[in-house]
Amino acid sequence: GAGVSQTPSNKVTEKGKYVELRCDPISGHTALYWYRQSLGQGPEFLIYFQGTGAADDSGLPNDRFFAVRPEGSVSTLKIQRTERGDSAVYLCASSLRPADTEAFFGQGTRLTVV
Amino acid sequence: KQEVTQIPAALSVPEGENLVLNCSFTDSAIYNLQWFRQDPGKGLTSLLLIQSSQREQTSGRLNASLDKSSGRSTLYIAASQPGDSATYLCAVATGNQFYFGTGTSLTVIP
Repeated sequence: GAGVSQTPSNKVTEKGKYVELRCDPISGHTALYWYRQSLGQGPEFLIYFQGTGAADDSGLPNDRFFAVRPEGSVSTLKIQRTERGDSAVYLCASSLRPADTEAFFGQGTRLTVV
Repeated sequence: KQEVTQIPAALSVPEGENLVLNCSFTDSAIYNLQWFRQDPGKGLTSLLLIQSSQREQTSGRLNASLDKSSGRSTLYIAASQPGDSATYLCAVATGNQFYFGTGTSLTVIP
């Protein structure tokens, strides 16, 4: 596609449920990033993929969060046993190469845990 | 750890004014610096990318400068318009990630 696509755009879930957030990067971009943005804050790093592998997952807050990118393109962020504190906008970005090229962000998924 | 600060947090100007947004960072070992625009409830739109070896970049009414040694960047917006109203974020590429400031919320009054 022309840009980074994230689905769903909005997700409301009950506390304790499992959710999956999807990211379709720009075709040909090898680097993919997940960020989380809380209201009034800048985006915070979660995980970075180079190809199929998670090259840096140091931003994942705990083991309830997991992300995959099995074929080096689409990525899924998975959150188990959701908590109200997980409510935020989850942003995905891709770039042609790691870190030294322009990053393009999707429109985000707004997750609300009730 | 890289820390990014943006000043001011909010800015309100009348239409037509020129303005400057500031971004500072603590670790000068960066690959690049990128300025983004974020409209309410939306994702980030890339405005300008400055590589670490560059001093400035220009796109239309926007000009971004980078002084890596002092850990500073500025975004200059000329002849501001109401449509420029948004939050402006700077992001510094260090290591495997981009580090963001908390943004400057800009309001341009018609």
